[in-house]
Amino acid sequence: DTGVSQNPRHKITKRGQNVTFRCDPISEHNRLYWYRQTLGQGPEFLTYFQNEAQLEKSRLLSDRFSAERPKGSFSTLEIQRTEQGDSAMYLCASQDRPTDTQYFGPGTRLTVL
Amino acid sequence: DQQVKQNSPSLSVQEGRISILNCDYTNSMFDYFLWYKKYPAEGPTFLISISSIKDKNEDGRFTVFLNKSAKHLSLHIVPSQPGDSAVYFCAALPSGSARQLTFGSGTQLTVLP
Repeated sequence: DTGVSQNPRHKITKRGQNVTFRCDPISEHNRLYWYRQTLGQGPEFLTYFQNEAQLEKSRLLSDRFSAERPKGSFSTLEIQRTEQGDSAMYLCASQDRPTDTQYFGPGTRLTVL
Repeated sequence: DQQVKQNSPSLSVQEGRISILNCDYTNSMFDYFLWYKKYPAEGPTFLISISSIKDKNEDGRFTVFLNKSAKHLSLHIVPSQPGDSAVYFCAALPSGSARQLTFGSGTQLTVLP
């Protein structure tokens, strides 16, 4: 399977704990995006990388959130001191060139108790 | 401030009939528009797109219409099939190098056999 993969698919955590999600983009795709989707809403942009450089961050990305793409391949999204409001589906997408389609992974569903 | 709006949360259509999903946008900087389809427990899947220099794009049973003056686009599915039942998201891209998608809140399409 050469699509975008995300792990884990589901994560349940207690408030205050740290969590980390991983995204493996389509091979050789330069751009990688993170989005968050809450119930009844469309995905909302969080941040994106071109190769290993993080080029833009949304206002939604508070200082408890950090994303990395150390070698320009896979990416991680870490949430520190999770809050119940962080419960959402976290989606990753990758793209070859800026004019190309963004291909989404299946998402990681986070539940903060 | 929702820049992309899908005002119909749900739509039911008989199999074989036409499905029309609507989307409105407010940001004049958007120059490229996409429709994604999402099944439960999966990430959004790209369906069809249209550039702002066109007013229509067709791909098989799917046609997207763009009315720039009204800042309105619509997706037509003819004929509708039960497998088309999914949540449909309208998304928009701004001009320039930043290519993060702005999504609407989605429309749940149910095609009745």
